[in-house]
Amino acid sequence: GQQLNQSPQSMFIQEGEDVSMNCTSSSIFNTWLWYKQDPGEGPVLLIALYKAGELTSNGRLTAQFGITRKDSFLNISASIPSDVGIYFCAGQEYGNKLVFGAGTILRVKS
Amino acid sequence: GAVVSQHPSRVICKSGTSVKIECRSLDFQATTMFWYRQFPKKSLMLMATSNEGSKATYEQGVEKDKFLINHASLTLSTLTVTSAHPEDSSFYICSVLLSRDIWHNSPLHFGNGTRLTVT
Repeated sequence: GQQLNQSPQSMFIQEGEDVSMNCTSSSIFNTWLWYKQDPGEGPVLLIALYKAGELTSNGRLTAQFGITRKDSFLNISASIPSDVGIYFCAGQEYGNKLVFGAGTILRVKS
Repeated sequence: GAVVSQHPSRVICKSGTSVKIECRSLDFQATTMFWYRQFPKKSLMLMATSNEGSKATYEQGVEKDKFLINHASLTLSTLTVTSAHPEDSSFYICSVLLSRDIWHNSPLHFGNGTRLTVT
């Protein structure tokens, strides 16, 4: 099935550092979503973006919906150990189906 | 609080048997539920879209006779893996589109997943 191009594939950073990850697509999406998944659990929504150019924050997380509607990024500032997990971007298609990126594995060194 | 309840969280079954996984929408009605499959360290792949009272729509490459989906009520969808084989071992996750959100793109709510191991 279709996937988004998500990068980086993994990151191992020092606690307190900022993190940035992004997704690109050849298709236009009307909605971009960012999820975090902990091992053995379902994805949990972090941020939802509905308008091209939109910049939205949720605590230490900031995400933007690209103007072309084909890309999005997620930034995490001042990372902490509990930020570890897998982060997925997702584009929402007509019919509300989600297309997921391959995920970014984040590890934080304290 | 949780919007979606998925059960069981883990199941081990013998090859050739069938396994049923339930996905319930809590507190709100869900006209549409989605079933995903996830392999270790991989992304979620959509298997099928389930609408209450109608047949599920399967994605290309997903065997509908193998993965039976029933969406009998506005709060419950089930996925039955029939005649399971070891290669069916995976993490299965459901997600829900709430009826209140149907008129605009809304983030889907996910269950906690079911780890299926077929021996």
